[in-house]
Amino acid sequence: EAGVTQSPTHLIKTRGQQATLRCSPISGHTSVYWYQQALGLGLQFLLWYDEGEERNRGNFPPRFSGRQFPNYSSELNVNALELEDSALYLCASRQGAREQYFGPGTRLTVT
Amino acid sequence: KQEVTQIPAALSVPEGENLVLNCSFTDSAIYNLQWFRQDPGKGLTSLLLIQSSQREQTSGRLNASLDKSSGRSTLYIAASQPGDSATYLCAVLNYGGATNKLIFGTGTLLAVQP
Repeated sequence: EAGVTQSPTHLIKTRGQQATLRCSPISGHTSVYWYQQALGLGLQFLLWYDEGEERNRGNFPPRFSGRQFPNYSSELNVNALELEDSALYLCASRQGAREQYFGPGTRLTVT
Repeated sequence: KQEVTQIPAALSVPEGENLVLNCSFTDSAIYNLQWFRQDPGKGLTSLLLIQSSQREQTSGRLNASLDKSSGRSTLYIAASQPGDSATYLCAVLNYGGATNKLIFGTGTLLAVQP
């Protein structure tokens, strides 16, 4: 069974640009979570999608948005990039009340 | 507001030693607790999941315990190996559909010396 996959592995953008990160959950999982791991700040919850709907979001500005597609894959968009957005972005998927499984992450660097 | 703390922040031990990592949380109304391993620059690997009704879980050389009333969990690693070197994170899932998110601890950086 394939795990959670994320693309791209690395992404380099300049300040002010937009970044799009993608996540494919484990087959059969309907919930997708996004987390940000910035240097020195630990893992912070960003967004939760379930059955195509945004269910909850963390304490992040509206520049961070996303969506979940009918096949349950998800996209995270970050607009008007700032230097502080440089981080490892992790996606996780879950089915029902089971544990969350994480992908390998996308390393976003904003210069 | 749930807060999760891990002690120690860093730990260095010689190969073969048994060790304990600690995790504490402020709100005991948790649904479950997970222990993860993270290698540098990589994603998270789930090690153990303990449901709120359970006291411990075991997988190979790993044993995790949960004491909800005192807000504590420990991860015991037996006969440590250099390959165990990584950052270990604990995370709790609180009750409540609207807050269905993992809250992570600060992590313990483990180095096992050969």
